[in-house]
Amino acid sequence: DAKTTQPPSMDCAEGRAANLPCNHSTISGNEYVYWYRQIHSQGPQYIIHGLKNNETNEMASLIITEDRKSSTLILPHATLRDTAVYYCIVRPLGGSNYKLTFGKGTLLTVNP
Amino acid sequence: GAVVSQHPSRVICKSGTSVKIECRSLDFQATTMFWYRQFPKKSLMLMATSNEGSKATYEQGVEKDKFLINHASLTLSTLTVTSAHPEDSSFYICSAVAPSSYEQYFGPGTRLTVT
Repeated sequence: DAKTTQPPSMDCAEGRAANLPCNHSTISGNEYVYWYRQIHSQGPQYIIHGLKNNETNEMASLIITEDRKSSTLILPHATLRDTAVYYCIVRPLGGSNYKLTFGKGTLLTVNP
Repeated sequence: GAVVSQHPSRVICKSGTSVKIECRSLDFQATTMFWYRQFPKKSLMLMATSNEGSKATYEQGVEKDKFLINHASLTLSTLTVTSAHPEDSSFYICSAVAPSSYEQYFGPGTRLTVT
């Protein structure tokens, strides 16, 4: 079973920031928070990951609460091409056999 | 970034036949690859872990004799669906683990339709 909880769907206006929440209240000290997204009929795409500090890359920002029990993925200026299912996953870093357990994710729809 | 390819992207086969799906890591060597299956409007479900040079490890409920996995080289893993049935119709996705970062990179998926 996935160790994360996400809202099933969200809407966002094009050009606005999309804030996708994730609850991971049972996260362990050695587990990282990963975000992937899956555009319809494609394979998942890695977005970002973090341990306890906020992270930013060219795609998104990741805000992790101080107690690490929840996080928010931020797409600063959503475009129509960002419409996808977004998955929040917790996993240990390191080791090639660590599996990714996908939950149901959040379907983000970016509207024109 | 690391690139993983799958071939074919789509395949239609008749019931009772076998179909092979290839997963290749194009610019890195992967000792570990994973195979997932995804039904319409559902999430990805891990089928098996494929380790180069050894037998695959299957998840509970996945028939190893039906879904044959071969990982003969560091850049290629194959999934063969044997004696396919219509209920095997699904979207099959592989991922490859980059040895330097242990990150998983996903292929584009293969849509299998069994008629």
